[in-house]
Amino acid sequence: SAVISQKPSRDICQRGTSLTIQCQVDSQVTMMFWYRQQPGQSLTLIATANQGSEATYESGFVIDKFPISRPNLTFSTLTVSNMSPEDSSIYLCSVEERGRTDTQYFGPGTRLTVL
Amino acid sequence: QKEVEQDPGPLSVPEGAIVSLNCTYSNSAFQYFMWYRQYSRKGPELLMYTYSSGNKEDGRFTAQVDKSSKYISLFIRDSQPSDSATYLCAMKDTDKLIFGTGTRLQVFP
Repeated sequence: SAVISQKPSRDICQRGTSLTIQCQVDSQVTMMFWYRQQPGQSLTLIATANQGSEATYESGFVIDKFPISRPNLTFSTLTVSNMSPEDSSIYLCSVEERGRTDTQYFGPGTRLTVL
Repeated sequence: QKEVEQDPGPLSVPEGAIVSLNCTYSNSAFQYFMWYRQYSRKGPELLMYTYSSGNKEDGRFTAQVDKSSKYISLFIRDSQPSDSATYLCAMKDTDKLIFGTGTRLQVFP
């Protein structure tokens, strides 16, 4: 399975600032996904990032708040903009391996705390 | 009603016990069923994957899918303290992956 890394692993940020989270995969993948995992809750899909096209956002998530880049087949970034304490969460990227659309592999996550 | 329901636990069992984790779902279009294991402060790790109904066994782990009842299970035999984690069920049709809320499992020596 693909090996996925994320940077930073954790951060503590001030209200009103922005944080960019990086996701790097060790192989070329078509689809990358960004999730949020709040304490005691399920994983919630933020958006799907397909290389060469605009990210597709789920209901409740907007590009101005969570801009995403996907410059190539192994890398993506998620920015959490104008942060508030409600954005404190774990942010996870995941990938579908090439040729498979039936399951996803996850990175280690970025634990974000907003003060 | 949520698309996927999972008992959040926590579930505490002694080492060596058989553990049963379960999820129910409402969308009959789901075809792909997964169990992820998530250790504290780590990302979810794919543990078991099943397509459609049936059983799948991998070492101490057995995944069962009953599409007629919209019910999936994960059994862990001879549970070990290292199995202590949160277990998330997930399922998919042709669209996105839908997760349960996760069941926290604690296996004590």
